[in-house]
Amino acid sequence: DVKVTQSSRYLVKRTGEKVFLECVQDMDHENMFWYRQDPGLGLRLIYFSYDVKMKEKGDIPEGYSVSREKKERFSLILESASTNQTSMYLCASSPYVVRGRVTQYFGPGTRLLVL
Amino acid sequence: SQQGEEDPQALSIQEGENATMNCSYKTSINNLQWYRQNSGRGLVHLILIRSNEREKHSGRLRVTLDTSKKSSSLLITASRAADTASYFCATDPLIGNTGKLIFGQGTTLQVKP
Repeated sequence: DVKVTQSSRYLVKRTGEKVFLECVQDMDHENMFWYRQDPGLGLRLIYFSYDVKMKEKGDIPEGYSVSREKKERFSLILESASTNQTSMYLCASSPYVVRGRVTQYFGPGTRLLVL
Repeated sequence: SQQGEEDPQALSIQEGENATMNCSYKTSINNLQWYRQNSGRGLVHLILIRSNEREKHSGRLRVTLDTSKKSSSLLITASRAADTASYFCATDPLIGNTGKLIFGQGTTLQVKP
């Protein structure tokens, strides 16, 4: 079974702190994704990566950066946390398939509270 | 951008009843998928239907796809309390091959024992 793990289930940080959210997958997937989920807004894509050191902005990249130094690990960085970044953060991975049935595998999520 | 729109946003039924959720989308797709999310957890893939398919079954799940109307429905038959969760549709756009999916806002299903 594919396993996607996230470093923390719950996190409390102060405004202005630098925050690192880590995600690791064990299935050698090329693609990795970071979403945030807020009530009434569904899942919104922050960034995704299609290969090591490759990244692309999603719909809401402002205030975030990412790092992918190894294939299995994709980190989301909040450079200076703000209260409006309080949210549920979900990491996902998927294999690269040409015109295929691409499904995503999700981690359990990190609920971040910024005070 | 959110392409999928689920309807209804919330649904409450009794155990044993059927639950139907609908999803509409805007652009042409390779396939459409349904995911489930238990409270406070990540999403889990349920079923995928290709653009050239009209109906697909998996256990108590039945998915239909109408590409002319750009809509899909998920039917859960003989619901159980354990089906209580949020359900999301996700589309794999035809244009581009990035592996990105576009998720809807979800339908929250409550099944009362």
